[in-house]
Amino acid sequence: AQSVTQPDIHITVSEGASLELRCNYSYGATPYLFWYVQSPGQGLQLLLKYFSGDTLVQGIKGFEAEFKRSQSSFNLRKPSVHWSDAAEYFCAVRGIYNQGGKLIFGQGTELSVKP
Amino acid sequence: GAGVSQSPRYKVAKRGQDVALRCDPISGHVSLFWYQQALGQGPEFLTYFQNEAQLDKSGLPSDRFFAERPEGSVSTLKIQRTQQEDSAVYLCASSPRLRGENSPLHFGNGTRLTVT
Repeated sequence: AQSVTQPDIHITVSEGASLELRCNYSYGATPYLFWYVQSPGQGLQLLLKYFSGDTLVQGIKGFEAEFKRSQSSFNLRKPSVHWSDAAEYFCAVRGIYNQGGKLIFGQGTELSVKP
Repeated sequence: GAGVSQSPRYKVAKRGQDVALRCDPISGHVSLFWYQQALGQGPEFLTYFQNEAQLDKSGLPSDRFFAERPEGSVSTLKIQRTQQEDSAVYLCASSPRLRGENSPLHFGNGTRLTVT
């Protein structure tokens, strides 16, 4: 069965520092991978997605993620964090042959940013 | 509107009451999904529509949960005889493609249901 693990429930970084949020997935083949961000009281906003091709994908707000098949990982990175990046981040997977395209989400990582 | 719209934003129900949550997807979007997000958790899939057809309802937690999309646009999620464990944020998402292939989901802001 498909699953997503985000090992870090809560991360705190200083403003201007670099960020890496971890995501590991379980799936029998190469899945479609997504990162979403959720601010309090808001819905989910897509940061970036990986379907195929270049394993380093660029997203909005200066985020990027790297797909590593050998590690079943899709970690999210940002070189310099801004205070406005404080939010909940969700990694999600969707099987290529998954009819309907439903997403399986990780538990989420809450990001706090220190001034 | 430009995005997925959900109403109400907040709903408080007494245990045992029935509730109805509405989702207006982006105009023309074929696929529509409902997710349940408990406090501190990631969203969990409930059900999926392709136009008016409900193709997957494997995530509905009990027969108290019912969803419909009769004309292939607006959808309603109904919960009968609400229980405290139903307290969560209910998210609706839509996608322009059949099966959602190669197409990310667009989420609404959700309805926060509190059952007292």
